[in-house]
Amino acid sequence: EAQVTQNPRYLITVTGKKLTVTCSQNMNHEYMSWYRQDPGLGLRQIYYSMNVEVTDKGDVPEGYKVSRKEKRNFPLILESPSPNQTSLYFCASSLSRIGLANYGYTFGSGTRLTVV
Amino acid sequence: DQQVKQNSPSLSVQEGRISILNCDYTNSMFDYFLWYKKYPAEGPTFLISISSIKDKNEDGRFTVFLNKSAKHLSLHIVPSQPGDSAVYFCAASAYGGSQGNLIFGKGTKLSVKP
Repeated sequence: EAQVTQNPRYLITVTGKKLTVTCSQNMNHEYMSWYRQDPGLGLRQIYYSMNVEVTDKGDVPEGYKVSRKEKRNFPLILESPSPNQTSLYFCASSLSRIGLANYGYTFGSGTRLTVV
Repeated sequence: DQQVKQNSPSLSVQEGRISILNCDYTNSMFDYFLWYKKYPAEGPTFLISISSIKDKNEDGRFTVFLNKSAKHLSLHIVPSQPGDSAVYFCAASAYGGSQGNLIFGKGTKLSVKP
């Protein structure tokens, strides 16, 4: 089954304790992306990657790191989490351009992170 | 400054009637527009897209209309069904449909009442 898998689904952590949220896709997609969803703010892009070793900042990259060492994986790293990073996080993947297949991102099921 | 705006946080419609969800954008470089649907506790699901060279795209009960001069697009759902109750996000992309930097609106919560 074609899917984007995020882990963990739920995470409660303390301020300053480094954490990694994993993301893996099995569709051989070039593009991968991380979004956060907050009430009243919709989906905001954190980072995206256009291929292996190619990443770029989205709209809200502060406090986050990513890496793309393999095509299928795109982990999100919080080196020193703070309470304002409490949010619902989504990983997504797609072919490079919408016009090629006329479909958009495939999203994972989300990771709800709470930083206390 | 918000580049993609969904000014109605919520919309309530009777089953069988038409649902119209609106979206405005400010960046004239956007050349692809997409709609996503999101149920609680799930990731967003792609619904339909439209290129800026078109003014209409249809897929079953879902039609997206694009008015480039007004920088406005809308999603029509006809007929609306209770299973359509979800949050709908409008999204836009520039640079020939590159999905690297896909910008989302804040969403509109649609409730379809039986």
